[in-house]
Parts: sequence; C-alpha cells; structure tokens
Amino acid sequence: ETGVTQTPRHLVMGMTNKKSLKCEQHLGHNAMYWYKQSAKKPLELMFVYNFKEQTENNSVPSRFSPECPNSSHLFLHLHTLQPEDSALYLCASSQAPGANTGELFFGEGSRLTVL
Amino acid sequence: AQSVTQLDSHVSVSEGTPVLLRCNYSSSYSPSLFWYVQHPNKGLQLLLKYTSAATLVKGINGFEAEFKKSETSFHLTKPSAHMSDAAEYFCVVTPYSSASKIIFGSGTRLSIRP
Repeated sequence: ETGVTQTPRHLVMGMTNKKSLKCEQHLGHNAMYWYKQSAKKPLELMFVYNFKEQTENNSVPSRFSPECPNSSHLFLHLHTLQPEDSALYLCASSQAPGANTGELFFGEGSRLTVL
Repeated sequence: AQSVTQLDSHVSVSEGTPVLLRCNYSSSYSPSLFWYVQHPNKGLQLLLKYTSAATLVKGINGFEAEFKKSETSFHLTKPSAHMSDAAEYFCVVTPYSSASKIIFGSGTRLSIRP
C-alpha cells in the first residue's frame, strides 16, 4: 500500500478511443507528477502539478491532456493515441518543492496498450 | 547541469553473495541522491536517500549507499543478495531546491541466481 492509487491498472484502447487514467494520493502532498515508462528507455517526466497548478510540461503531445482538480487527484486524458504511446504510466506525489524534493511516492502504474 | 549514469544495465549475482550497483552523478549544486527499486509490474519505491547528512546511508531491506563527493559516486550495496532483491534499481539526482529537476538514471536490472 503506497498511498498513491492508480486506476485502471491495465487499459487497451484503439487509436480513435478516448480514455482517462486516474491517480489519487492519500498522503497530504501538494505536488503530483505523471511519468511515462517505456521499455528500454529512461523514465520520462510528462507533467508536474504544484498546488493544482501545472508547473511543467515536458513537450508532451496534445493528445495527452492532464487535469488536476485538487491536490489529491490527477487525471491523464487520452485521445487519438498512437501505438508508440503504449507504455506504463506512473503517477507520483511529493511534498511541495523544497526539502527532500527528490522523494517521490509512486503508484503502481497504468499499463496502456494502444492498438 | 545535472546528470546521472548507472554504469551497468544488468547485474547478475548468486543468492547470498554481495550486490554492487554503480551510479555516478554530475551536479552543479549540492545534490540530493536517491535509490529507488521497482519490482515487476509495480511502481517505484524509495530504498534510501542522501541529503547532505551522513555520507553512508542505510536503507530498507539491508541496502546501503555511500556518497563519495571526490568520485561523484553513489553506489548501492548489499552484503548478501536474496531472491526477493531481483528488480530494477534507479539512481536519482536532484538539486535541493527544484522538484521538476529530478533526474532518473536509466536503471539497472538485478538478477539473482539460486
């Protein structure tokens, strides 16, 4: 039990579908992150939210649309994805920037397959 | 500029023998350094962290790491490997003040032979 819960754990979608990934943290943190983990590649930071405001977008294609309605919830809306978007999408949270900024708490990930 | 290099993509050891996973970093600032572990089909879990206190850091599951500024290294060790240690290990560097500058290494897959 990590305190960060991601749903669904597995998702298969066609290129024309619209789906969403959900992340919820119960740790009282104020920063939340989306990472993409592909086989044979380093972990890629996609988005960072601090106190519900997006503070980082690492040149992520617009077919990925994040939403952070409050400090405990983070969504990743997916539409018209490509097969190369198949990956493990990891959500993480941390305390607000400052001390111990590298200490992240991860969910178990959502395994996405785009057909 | 910051970077982190994990020198081995795959390490294989026999159960009961020592483990050494190597990590070198480059940082313009006093860095914080971390090791995370990822078991198959799981998220990443913090093993240990260095934040400018003691240079020898002890973590969970018997792992420890030593910060060596002169060698810019933060190698992860364990005296005796257990089958449950088989996983992917990530070295992470970040400056003290910026959450968005967290840099992950490319990972080292640790295999344990019976």
